[in-house]
Parts: sequence; structure tokens; C-alpha cells
Amino acid sequence: QKEVEQNSGPLSVPEGAIASLNCTYSDRGSQSFFWYRQYSGKSPELIMFIYSNGDKEDGRFTAQLNKASQYVSLLIRDSQPSDSATYLCAVVNNDYKLSFGAGTTVTVRA
Amino acid sequence: GAVVSQHPSRVICKSGTSVKIECRSLDFQATTMFWYRQFPKQSLMLMATSNEGSKATYEQGVEKDKFLINHASLTLSTLTVTSAHPEDSSFYICSARDWGTSENPSYNEQFFGPGTRLTVL
Repeated sequence: QKEVEQNSGPLSVPEGAIASLNCTYSDRGSQSFFWYRQYSGKSPELIMFIYSNGDKEDGRFTAQLNKASQYVSLLIRDSQPSDSATYLCAVVNNDYKLSFGAGTTVTVRA
Repeated sequence: GAVVSQHPSRVICKSGTSVKIECRSLDFQATTMFWYRQFPKQSLMLMATSNEGSKATYEQGVEKDKFLINHASLTLSTLTVTSAHPEDSSFYICSARDWGTSENPSYNEQFFGPGTRLTVL
């Protein structure tokens, strides 16, 4: 079982819709959870991090964490064409290392 | 925000040559830096963890004699790909952890450099 698994893509949504991205992780000791956005040919850029159960909102983005279910998600509201990218879920364990999921490619149709 | 730079951004070299990539934290001290490799359409894979003043810790399957890492100061880590071959062609990305912002284990943000595209002919 992979440490971090993301829902398979690609995910195509119309402009203005909500894009929903899911991620599960295997290590119950994981402490911090990150969502990165990566455009083709570029390095990842941080969207949000979360480490407490519940929701965390930042603009059009909402991260949700459920440690009991070992599940973290990202919602993108009012999706824009500029949101088209690969979204990477990453988890940090006690050794401060980031484990990345395979990524979900999102395409927002204008 | 914390800024990490990498140099060069792109390098093309002949098979058998060595290539050095620099990673710098510009406005903070980074006691720990990380080196990742990303092949096309794949996710980032951690290669090694670089600690200032000590030897790097390599992930399983990464050849430490091929990928030399030096972290001589709190703001600079270098990755040298020795005797590069076409299969080493990849996107190499470094990141740095800002030890100065918080020692709370719940806060583990890494700041990524822009990456270095290596092509070995």
C-alpha cells in the first residue's frame, strides 16, 4: 500500500464549478498535511496546510482533515481556468519528510 | 515569504560528465534541505535529506556515490550528479525547512526551489 494515495484523474470541471480532490494516507502518526499545486514544468507551490481535524478555508480553497479516517481533501470553489494544474497531496511524518501522492490533474473548462 | 533559489535552471550535458546544482535559501536559515527528483508524469520522489554540517541521509535505492550532497552552510546545499547518464535526465527540485519560524512539530512547511531540468545526451 502506498503511503499517500490520491483519487485518480484527470478531473475535468466546468468553469465556476467545485473541484473535489481526495487523499488518504497510511501512517496514523502523520502530523501535517499539505496540498501543493504544480503547473507543467514548474516546481510545486503550496496552497494550504492543515494539521487539525476539521476544515480550513483560504479564499476559494478548503482543506478538510479527518485523522480517524486518515483522509484529507481539498475543495476548489468557483474553479477558474488558471486552476488547471496537477494537485499534489503531501504528508509529513515524525521525521519531517514529505511523502507525496501521485497527484491529480485538474482541467477547468472555460 | 521564504524564498529558495536553484541554479542552474536548466542544464544539458554529455554522458559521463558531472553536474552541480545549487540550492540556496535567500532570506532564512535552513538547517535541513531536501532533494527531490521528478520524472515526467510522475510525482516527486525524495532522494536525500541534507543537514548542515553533517552527512546527507539518502533514501533507499539512491546511490550516494552518484548523487553527492554537500550542505556546507545554513543557506546552501549542493547536489552533484557524477558521471551523468541519459537515465539521470530529470527535474531536480530542492526544498528547505525554515527552522527559525517554529519548532512546533505540527508546522513542517518546506519551501521549494524552482527546480533544475537536467538533460543528459
